Amino acid sequence: QSALTQPRSVSGSPGQSVTISCTGTSSDVGGYNYVSWYQQHPGKAPEAVIYDVSKRPSGVPDRFSGSKSGNTASLTISGLQAEDEADYYCYSYAGSYTGVFGGGTKLTVL
Amino acid sequence: EVQLLESGGGLVQPGGSLRLSCAASGFTFSSYAMSWVRQAPGKGLEWVSTFRGSGGSTYYADSVKGRFTISRDNSKNTLYLQMNSLRAEDTAVYYCAKEEWLGGGNYFDYWGQGTLVTVSS
Repeated sequence: QSALTQPRSVSGSPGQSVTISCTGTSSDVGGYNYVSWYQQHPGKAPEAVIYDVSKRPSGVPDRFSGSKSGNTASLTISGLQAEDEADYYCYSYAGSYTGVFGGGTKLTVL
Repeated sequence: EVQLLESGGGLVQPGGSLRLSCAASGFTFSSYAMSWVRQAPGKGLEWVSTFRGSGGSTYYADSVKGRFTISRDNSKNTLYLQMNSLRAEDTAVYYCAKEEWLGGGNYFDYWGQGTLVTVSS
């Protein structure tokens, strides 16, 4: 149950696009199409922005998109806005009703 | 509207015990798997434990196996986490989360506001 690997931080200017990677193994990210992404603002609970690799929950803007290739999943945020500044965590189902989170990425909107 | 409200956090000495509760409303509680996820101060999220909605099966992270017990009372729409033999590294905000299963895997579609557990002498 080792944490998935994410970059510690990424940044972008308003209107630009940023991509956050999430690398696991064939036992989690690579083995299942059940990767989800969570946005967490300081002092708040996480909120899902992507599930099942690329699906958006109701109410999440289409600026948020997800993809996966092999053992690495990615979250792309296009048309960056100030309110997108937050911490982002990936999560992967890992079989037998267990799962693992990534270490988190701090997104700074310049 | 789905609501999850955690309670029971606080300060406890190493080796001590604490029981967290999560009161749920706004959905058919008994039909859904529920989980606890924790976040140490300044750190990332860590999945802790899951109780399936049907069948009563429970699952634990290796870091808490044998020390923590997850349970639920569907008549009270409440999820619990009994934490024994607490260690300093268990210090964290503990979130209750509802799981959604749309195929063969899960994600957490609703979260509570969290309750802080501090293990210190």
